[in-house]
Amino acid sequence: SQQGEEDPQALSIQEGENATMNCSYKTSINNLQWYRQNSGRGLVHLILIRSNEREKHSGRLRVTLDTSKKSSSLLITASRAADTASYFCATDERETSGSRLTFGEGTQLTVNP
Amino acid sequence: KAGVTQTPRYLIKTRGQQVTLSCSPISGHRSVSWYQQTPGQGLQFLFEYFSETQRNKGNFPGRFSGRQFSNSRSEMNVSTLELGDSALYLCASSWSGGEGEQFFGPGTRLTVL
Repeated sequence: SQQGEEDPQALSIQEGENATMNCSYKTSINNLQWYRQNSGRGLVHLILIRSNEREKHSGRLRVTLDTSKKSSSLLITASRAADTASYFCATDERETSGSRLTFGEGTQLTVNP
Repeated sequence: KAGVTQTPRYLIKTRGQQVTLSCSPISGHRSVSWYQQTPGQGLQFLFEYFSETQRNKGNFPGRFSGRQFSNSRSEMNVSTLELGDSALYLCASSWSGGEGEQFFGPGTRLTVL
């Protein structure tokens, strides 16, 4: 089952603009991870934020986590055409031992040159 | 360090047949998880193996099974294939699962005719 809900489902912007994607989830989590997927290929890990963290940066990526609202956002700054892809959030639930990611439905980002 | 590899990359089968997919994790990773991705259901967790033991299982019928070998390589098997089993099957590895990053392979695209 899909725990996460992402919005928007699709986002189209111009190169150089910022893109923000949001993710909501339902249960208590150990961490939340963001992934990118190009055209039905494998998932590329972007960033992991733990439940006790509020913000994390990696290059042009900024992720925030609000555990009280059970939500996260991914900001891509100064977007490039190469950022065109689907972006997924995935939660690692606290009540589950081992590894079991629950994915959102994804946001399709299109960056127009 | 080599990434996660999956074989074969593409597979075409007919209904009623069975199929075995293979995943080789990143060297040193002991946790291997499998996910199914379809346009209708999105990314869904199948199962996770750690030290040759199934540690987590998703909500899939018993036709879906897997195993892990002593070198951490994993296989998943689907018996009595149905049209609905057509999907991208993704394998992910991590050091121990639980609270770390999951690294995904390129996937196996299975088409059931």
